[in-house]
Amino acid sequence: NAGVTQTPKFQVLKTGQSMTLQCAQDMNHEYMSWYRQDPGMGLRLIHYSVGAGITDQGEVPNGYNVSRSTTEDFPLRLLSAAPSQTSVYFCASSYAQGAYEQYFGPGTRLTVT
Amino acid sequence: AQSVTQLGSHVSVSEGALVLLRCNYSSSVPPYLFWYVQYPNQGLQLLLKYTTGATLVKGINGFEAEFKKSETSFHLTKPSAHMSDAAEYFCAVSLPGIGNQFYFGTGTSLTVIP
Repeated sequence: NAGVTQTPKFQVLKTGQSMTLQCAQDMNHEYMSWYRQDPGMGLRLIHYSVGAGITDQGEVPNGYNVSRSTTEDFPLRLLSAAPSQTSVYFCASSYAQGAYEQYFGPGTRLTVT
Repeated sequence: AQSVTQLGSHVSVSEGALVLLRCNYSSSVPPYLFWYVQYPNQGLQLLLKYTTGATLVKGINGFEAEFKKSETSFHLTKPSAHMSDAAEYFCAVSLPGIGNQFYFGTGTSLTVIP
């Protein structure tokens, strides 16, 4: 099992550019989520999905879009990057909600200039 | 609203000393509780979790935590710190029966002094 994989590991964007952060898991998990990690702020939930075709907003969804066409993949799209989106992004998955632990990918470090 | 508070954003202990990292939560119902560890430039990995049953839970690398409902706390401890324990530690809660969101604390950076 590869677990949760994320690509790319590093990315530099200019303000206004768009890009997609890729996330995939091979554990047949129904629940997937995206977080951003900023110094002193812990992890903040951006979007999450409870299954293919179902997504919902988290705490900080503005500026990000997601879709979930398959169980395995959960890409995060930045439509028009802003310097405030400079952060480390983590994708996570779990078997289900509630009592189940989340498995995290290695992260994508994004810098927007 | 659900919240998780980790007291102390930075904690330093001497090698061999007790490690105590504090976590308090606010919730009207007992949540599921987790501790994660993050080593530099890596993702988070689970240390331990409490769902139901015994309130003292043991995790990997000698860590344990105790759920105290009356104090709404889930503090993480380890009797004797090792240099390899230096990392960022996150407490997290998940509310049972409510779809689904995890809430993380802001993290505690643990430094181990040789």
